[in-house]
Amino acid sequence: EIVLTQSPATLSLSPGERATLSCRASQSISTYLTWYQQKPGQAPRLLMFDVSNRATGIPARFSGSGSGTDFTLTISSLEPEDFAVYYCQQRSNWPLTFGGGTKVEIK
Amino acid sequence: QVQLVESGGGVVQPGGSLRLSCAVSGFTLSYYGMHWVRQAPGKGLEWVAFIGYDERNKYYADSVKGRFTISRDNPKNTLYVHMNSLRAEDTAVYYCARNLDSHNHLDYWGQGTLVTVSS
Repeated sequence: EIVLTQSPATLSLSPGERATLSCRASQSISTYLTWYQQKPGQAPRLLMFDVSNRATGIPARFSGSGSGTDFTLTISSLEPEDFAVYYCQQRSNWPLTFGGGTKVEIK
Repeated sequence: QVQLVESGGGVVQPGGSLRLSCAVSGFTLSYYGMHWVRQAPGKGLEWVAFIGYDERNKYYADSVKGRFTISRDNPKNTLYVHMNSLRAEDTAVYYCARNLDSHNHLDYWGQGTLVTVSS
């Protein structure tokens, strides 16, 4: 099973700041990396797929990069609605696996 | 619009069984693979199971293999998961989710149904 490790566990930032979230895979997953956003009491929402492809309706301030084992989700300038938990997920191998999540909280 | 609505959650004793349903609308279920994903209280996401659009392919997390069975009824636009031999660690909100473009990105999710395994 491929293990995804997200860091940091919590990111404390102010609106307008840049957020950089990391996801590291235990083995190469090429570019088969997806990001989701989850707000309290809500289901996850698809953000980015295959590293850098924004899902429908996702604003351009979200971007993704990486390949192999190291990946980054960047939010260029945090909006109030961006404070949430972010999960990465790999689709390279079965079973699909998720990272443990990074909480982006208001500083 | 695309909607997924889970039902069937509740409180069940350890060792018991439960069947969850996911009724979909706004798209043709027979064209899509589907997933179940769960989230224990205060914890992260855990993928549970996948079923291909034609039921030929099914995959399970090791934690549920042999105990859970995913199935679908395309004419009824409904996805199921049958859960047997339930354990305390199966307590979670269970989400169904649609597979985007057969590539295992989950693009639409239901609101979830809570399963509590407790005596």
